[in-house]
Amino acid sequence: GAGVSQSPSNKVTEKGKDVELRCDPISGHTALYWYRQRLGQGLEFLIYFQGNSAPDKSGLPSDRFSAERTGESVSTLTIQRTQQEDSAVYLCASSLQFSYNSPLHFGNGTRLTVT
Amino acid sequence: DQQVKQNSPSLSVQEGRISILNCDYTNSMFDYFLWYKKYPAEGPTFLISISSIKDKNEDGRFTVFLNKSAKHLSLHIVPSQPGDSAVYFCAASVDRAGNTGKLIFGQGTTLQVKP
Repeated sequence: GAGVSQSPSNKVTEKGKDVELRCDPISGHTALYWYRQRLGQGLEFLIYFQGNSAPDKSGLPSDRFSAERTGESVSTLTIQRTQQEDSAVYLCASSLQFSYNSPLHFGNGTRLTVT
Repeated sequence: DQQVKQNSPSLSVQEGRISILNCDYTNSMFDYFLWYKKYPAEGPTFLISISSIKDKNEDGRFTVFLNKSAKHLSLHIVPSQPGDSAVYFCAASVDRAGNTGKLIFGQGTTLQVKP
């Protein structure tokens, strides 16, 4: 596809369940980022990948959150034992390279609702 | 600690007039700034950027101004069009070795352009 693809677009889950969110970046983009946006707030950095390496995991809110990336392709963000405060739109972005002048291309996000 | 702040959650302007969106930051290490635009149910899209070595960057109807001493930047849209109605996010990054692609976002300003 031409853009960043995320699935599912919507996910409703019960508190305590695990969820897995998927991101397909633009082909050839080496850098991949995960952000989340809670209701009424800005985008909150979670993690980025350079290739399949994640040098900066500082934004992950807790050890219930983890992410991995296969090569320079698909990434999955996993949230274990979901809590209601995890409800947010999770946005994935990719860029050609990890550089200040390489704009991020965002997907449409996964809206996660934890009931 | 909100390092990038957009203090106006919303702005309404008449079609054809100027829209001015403001952004303040606290981290003096930031030296690259970007504006993203977001429509409902879509991911943010890159709009315009500016490096700290400049105080102005223009792209068509969009101009970004940077005042480093005041740690303030603004986005001017002239003339405003109804299609510009969206949420606008200000973002900043550190243009030095490491973390140059990691963006810190503001909370966003919802712009409504009335016909």
